[in-house]
Amino acid sequence: AQSVSQHNHHVILSEAASLELGCNYSYGGTVNLFWYVQYPGQHLQLLLKYFSGDPLVKGIKGFEAEFIKSKFSFNLRKPSVQWSDTAEYFCAFLDSSYKLIFGSGTRLLVRP
Amino acid sequence: EPEVTQTPSHQVTQMGQEVILRCVPISNHLYFYWYRQILGQKVEFLVSFYNNEISEKSEIFDDQFSVERPDGSNFTLKIRSTKLEDSAMYFCASSESRALTPAGYTFGSGTRLTVV
Repeated sequence: AQSVSQHNHHVILSEAASLELGCNYSYGGTVNLFWYVQYPGQHLQLLLKYFSGDPLVKGIKGFEAEFIKSKFSFNLRKPSVQWSDTAEYFCAFLDSSYKLIFGSGTRLLVRP
Repeated sequence: EPEVTQTPSHQVTQMGQEVILRCVPISNHLYFYWYRQILGQKVEFLVSFYNNEISEKSEIFDDQFSVERPDGSNFTLKIRSTKLEDSAMYFCASSESRALTPAGYTFGSGTRLTVV
């Protein structure tokens, strides 16, 4: 069955710490992968996406993600988090009928 | 930057009542979607809509649910007789095409529905 797993449900970091959020997918087709962020009280915003090409994808606000096909993973990273990165982060892929399949999300709290 | 607008932001309703959640997609978008997220669970696809008809719906989208684009700008989700388990955050989204556009979907900020 096609699915996305985000293993960390809650992450707490101090400012300037490095971040890595795990995402593993289960899908037999061509993968198109996304990370979305939802800041408190706001809508889902696209952080970055992978369609093809360079497996290391750079997104907005200093985030990047690496697609590792052999591990079925698309982990999100940021070398130094800020308090303003406090949000919920969702990994997703686009299935063959163009609907997004989401993971359960990871709540990140960055302490000042 | 164009936005998808959802109203209301919060709705509390009694079990068995009908609710209508409203969305104004981006004006030149052609594909419309509803997703929902029950507290603590995944964001789940409900339905997609194109050319004034449903393109695809999930198992969640049963006979209690319906969607409509009544006036060419609004896109509504109606739940005829709400149940406690319908309590969730409902997200509307729109896209210009089904192809993989750079922006992908644009999501609204969601309507939090609480059924009591």
